[in-house]
Amino acid sequence: GQQLNQSPQSMFIQEGEDVSMNCTSSSIFNTWLWYKQDPGEGPVLLIALYKAGELTSNGRLTAQFGITRKDSFLNISASIPSDVGIYFCAGPGSGTASKLTFGTGTRLQVTL
Amino acid sequence: GAVVSQHPSRVICKSGTSVKIECRSLDFQATTMFWYRQFPKQSLMLMATSNEGSKATYEQGVEKDKFLINHASLTLSTLTVTSAHPEDSSFYICSATPGQVPTDTQYFGPGTRLTVL
Repeated sequence: GQQLNQSPQSMFIQEGEDVSMNCTSSSIFNTWLWYKQDPGEGPVLLIALYKAGELTSNGRLTAQFGITRKDSFLNISASIPSDVGIYFCAGPGSGTASKLTFGTGTRLQVTL
Repeated sequence: GAVVSQHPSRVICKSGTSVKIECRSLDFQATTMFWYRQFPKQSLMLMATSNEGSKATYEQGVEKDKFLINHASLTLSTLTVTSAHPEDSSFYICSATPGQVPTDTQYFGPGTRLTVL
């Protein structure tokens, strides 16, 4: 089946630093989604990407849809304590609308 | 908009009992709802897809007789864990798709933490 691998697995950064994480797939995706999950909560959609090469921003967050359609990147600028959480990439499975495959996740910790 | 709720938020039950978890779309009609399971420090794993008025489609390895899903209306889906065992302890999350937006946009509920003693 499809797999989405995220790196790094976890990161510890200081408040104010920029963060970069990526997601790679063993197969082509036509849509990339980035979610954030706070402890004990469901994921919240941050950014959706629908076209290869697309670069989309949402406040301090910027995500890009890789040209090969097999990867995506998420950047967070000037991190703040509330950025703490787990970031997941996700994409719809082949052939079936809506079914999502989630990545392995990147756990972000922000220190003051 | 696009709010999904789950009830209960956490439940503790004895081994062998059944537990029902509700998932509701509060401000939209959900043509499709999904159920995920998430073990500690792991990613979300899709268990099943349910469409209103039809039988759920289960992912490989998910026992349909153990995890009963009912999607009786466009705003409510229920997951019943039957004869629960400690290994069923997990975080169960539902999501819903409105249908009129890109079909891969899912709105997630806050999750239900199940602990089976």
